[in-house]
Amino acid sequence: GQQLNQSPQSMFIQEGEDVSMNCTSSSIFNTWLWYKQDPGEGPVLLIALYKAGELTSNGRLTAQFGITRKDSFLNISASIPSDVGIYFCAGLTPTGANSKLTFGKGITLSVRP
Amino acid sequence: GAGVSQSPRYKVAKRGQDVALRCDPISGHVSLFWYQQALGQGPEFLTYFQNEAQLDKSGLPSDRFFAERPEGSVSTLKIQRTQQEDSAVYLCASSLRGVYGYTFGSGTRLTVV
Repeated sequence: GQQLNQSPQSMFIQEGEDVSMNCTSSSIFNTWLWYKQDPGEGPVLLIALYKAGELTSNGRLTAQFGITRKDSFLNISASIPSDVGIYFCAGLTPTGANSKLTFGKGITLSVRP
Repeated sequence: GAGVSQSPRYKVAKRGQDVALRCDPISGHVSLFWYQQALGQGPEFLTYFQNEAQLDKSGLPSDRFFAERPEGSVSTLKIQRTQQEDSAVYLCASSLRGVYGYTFGSGTRLTVV
C-alpha cells in the first residue's frame, strides 16, 4: 500500500533554532498536509499543499510540495518550547464525497530551552 | 458541541472481550472517519461514513471490527473478541466539507491485556 517515509524518528534542537523535516512517498499524492499531535490529543492541521512546487507559510511554519509530487518538507523557524510534539506528513486520497488520509510515522521534536 | 468528543478516554479490556468506542462528531458534520494509531506510528484509516452510509470500510483489519452510525450523527466502533494487537489509540474525525474542516477527537486509548 501507499507509504509515507519520515526520518529521523526524533529531533532535538535548541530554542530559537530553525528545523527542517522531510517526507517522501512511494506514490504520488495530489494533496500533502502537515499535522502536529500533542500527547493525549488528536492531530491538528498545520499546512495544506495542493499544487506541485507550491510553497506555503503559516506564521513560523513554511512547507513545500515537491515537483515530483512524491515529497514535501516542513520548516519551523525560531523554535519555541510549545513547538514540542509529533509532526506528521499526510497524503490525501479521495473516498466517497470526502478524502482519507495516509500518514507517515511522524517525527518527535524536542526543544531545549 | 465545540469539538469531536470520544468516550471513554481509556479502556482496558481482557483478551476476548468485546468493546464499544463512541464518537460524537461536531454538530452538522456529515463526514465521519475512524483511524487507528498504534504506539509510535501515524494514524491509519479504518472506515468512513457520509451521514449514515458507510462508504468506505477498506481499512478495517478484520471482521471483528464493526462500525455504525445509524442516525448520521453519533458513531460507534465495536471490536469483538479483542486481541493484544488491537491495543492502540482509536481516533475519530469529522468534517463538514474537505480537509480544512477535518477535526480529530482526542481518541480512546484501548489496552488489551
